[in-house]
Amino acid sequence: DAGVTQSPTHLIKTRGQQVTLRCSPKSGHDTVSWYQQALGQGPQFIFQYYEEEERQRGNFPDRFSGHQFPNYSSELNVNALLLGDSALYLCASSLVQQVSGNTIYFGEGSWLTVV
Amino acid sequence: GQQLNQSPQSMFIQEGEDVSMNCTSSSIFNTWLWYKQDPGEGPVLLIALYKAGELTSNGRLTAQFGITRKDSFLNISASIPSDVGIYFCAGTHRGSNYKLTFGKGTLLTVNP
Repeated sequence: DAGVTQSPTHLIKTRGQQVTLRCSPKSGHDTVSWYQQALGQGPQFIFQYYEEEERQRGNFPDRFSGHQFPNYSSELNVNALLLGDSALYLCASSLVQQVSGNTIYFGEGSWLTVV
Repeated sequence: GQQLNQSPQSMFIQEGEDVSMNCTSSSIFNTWLWYKQDPGEGPVLLIALYKAGELTSNGRLTAQFGITRKDSFLNISASIPSDVGIYFCAGTHRGSNYKLTFGKGTLLTVNP
């Protein structure tokens, strides 16, 4: 039973570039959420996708966008990268029919460094 | 963005000692969760709490959901070296079960 998988694990981008991060949810899960974790901070909620639509969004600018595919996998896109976008980006998956917190599983994250 | 108030920020203890950490919030939470994060990895769920006053154990870990629904604590008994890591509290509000609000974490170091 595969857990939440994310790719790439590490990447370096230049200011102004665009980046795409990918996530495959845990088998059987249909909801994907993305979090940004800056160094020394707790994760911050970016947005959540269910049924290929963005359902909830945190306090992030429109440069952050996402997509969910029919197989429930998801992408996080960040345009016009800033130095402050350097962080660990975490994907979390869950099953919408189970609304309790113990069904939220995290991937190992994608480390993004913007230079 | 909003974060929970988690304390202490860091702890340095001897192996075998007990540990206590807590989280507080100015708003009510529907669910309280405690995660552990090792370097280079994602958070791993330790304990989930769903009712005010609930006390739940998972091996040497015990956590409680505060009666006011604005706080929670996590205790680790008889610490061992592999307990080293960053511990995060997280909560969800009613109607936002997938939007976790996290604390800033407690860095635990255990001296063998």
